[in-house]
Amino acid sequence: GAVVSQHPSRVICKSGTSVKIECRSLDFQATTMFWYRQFPKQSLMLMATSNEGSKATYEQGVEKDKFLINHASLTLSTLTVTSAHPEDSSFYICSASQDRSNQPQHFGDGTRLSIL
Amino acid sequence: AQSVSQHNHHVILSEAASLELGCNYSYGGTVNLFWYVQYPGQHLQLLLKYFSGDPLVKGIKGFEAEFIKSKFSFNLRKPSVQWSDTAEYFCAVNAAGGGNKLTFGTGTQLKVEL
Repeated sequence: GAVVSQHPSRVICKSGTSVKIECRSLDFQATTMFWYRQFPKQSLMLMATSNEGSKATYEQGVEKDKFLINHASLTLSTLTVTSAHPEDSSFYICSASQDRSNQPQHFGDGTRLSIL
Repeated sequence: AQSVSQHNHHVILSEAASLELGCNYSYGGTVNLFWYVQYPGQHLQLLLKYFSGDPLVKGIKGFEAEFIKSKFSFNLRKPSVQWSDTAEYFCAVNAAGGGNKLTFGTGTQLKVEL
């Protein structure tokens, strides 16, 4: 149980394009979803926390107008990288948890984004 | 804000060797502690977690971790590693009662040789 599906797994696109990444909890309802970014040989950096039906909470230094997050249902959150540039190239990972406290996060497979 | 430090970035062991991966955190309040594993080409999976109670926590695949509050540590151990344990291991912390936000360490790449 507790499977999180992330799509697409890999995106290559031109600079200036907007890219949408989906994160779905397949067999549980996720009241909270998290979006991380991972640079090569570095740790996962939390970008934002999204709670179903409310605005996402962004970490310091993360541009909310650049990284749009929508969590419209208990099983789906989306991250849209708007007007992507080469410096946005990275590995983006989502996770979901079933409750607002003391529940482990379940991770998606990640999305490799490459902006040319 | 909390931070997590994993001292070993790369570890190479032979099969049947014992494993201990260090994890120290920095936070003044009560924490929940996790170890996640990422096998090659796969997503992060929970190995074990500590919320409260017995500080020695047993997880899947023979792994265990011990929470030592006085040392702010949560080291991961396995008495005898297998080739299939080759993976990247991440220690993570969240502040108890602060939602499920995790702060990750930089990870330790473990390679087990036959």
